[in-house]
Amino acid sequence: ELKVEQNPLFLSMQEGKNYTIYCNYSTTSDRLYWYRQDPGKSLESLFVLLSNGAVKQEGRLMASLDTKARLSTLHITAAVHDLSATYFCAVDLFGGNMLTFGGGTRLMVKP
Amino acid sequence: DVKVTQSSRYLVKRTGEKVFLECVQDMDHENMFWYRQDPGLGLRLIYFSYDVKMKEKGDIPEGYSVSREKKERFSLILESASTNQTSMYLCASRSENTDTQYFGPGTRLTVL
Repeated sequence: ELKVEQNPLFLSMQEGKNYTIYCNYSTTSDRLYWYRQDPGKSLESLFVLLSNGAVKQEGRLMASLDTKARLSTLHITAAVHDLSATYFCAVDLFGGNMLTFGGGTRLMVKP
Repeated sequence: DVKVTQSSRYLVKRTGEKVFLECVQDMDHENMFWYRQDPGLGLRLIYFSYDVKMKEKGDIPEGYSVSREKKERFSLILESASTNQTSMYLCASRSENTDTQYFGPGTRLTVL
């Protein structure tokens, strides 16, 4: 059974600081997704990582995938309040149709 | 823009009632999904469908069924609702040509 674990579960940080969210998974996969969810809203796709060593960046967020370590990271650079949300990673074992999600990391960025 | 809509944002039902949750997507996507979201557990896949009238069980199909009679519409059915099915239900769709699933706004179901 595939297990996907995120840590931390909750993160409170000051604006301007850097931090990393970790996503560990238990079964070999080379497809990993990051989503963002704002309170009361649905999930928005951030990144799709499809191979070992994949790195993608969008604004202050950068995601990477190490399939050998079964680890993905979401790095936040110089956080701003607008990044406050819950972030989910998800691992795919079935061609895009069987996503297993982590429990989510709730990020609060304080002014 | 991809649009996935769900029939209700909030729904309150009684134990034992039959409940229908409807999802419609307007982008001609082949694949559609139903998840439930619970605090600390992330999203868990209930069922998915890769074509009309085709369905596959996800991780937690017990107590649920689905129907896909038309490509754009995917329904989740709770035959006899129970209190442990109180949750947020999210529908998603995906094209065969992309890797990204697009999510609807969710239906918060409360079973009393």
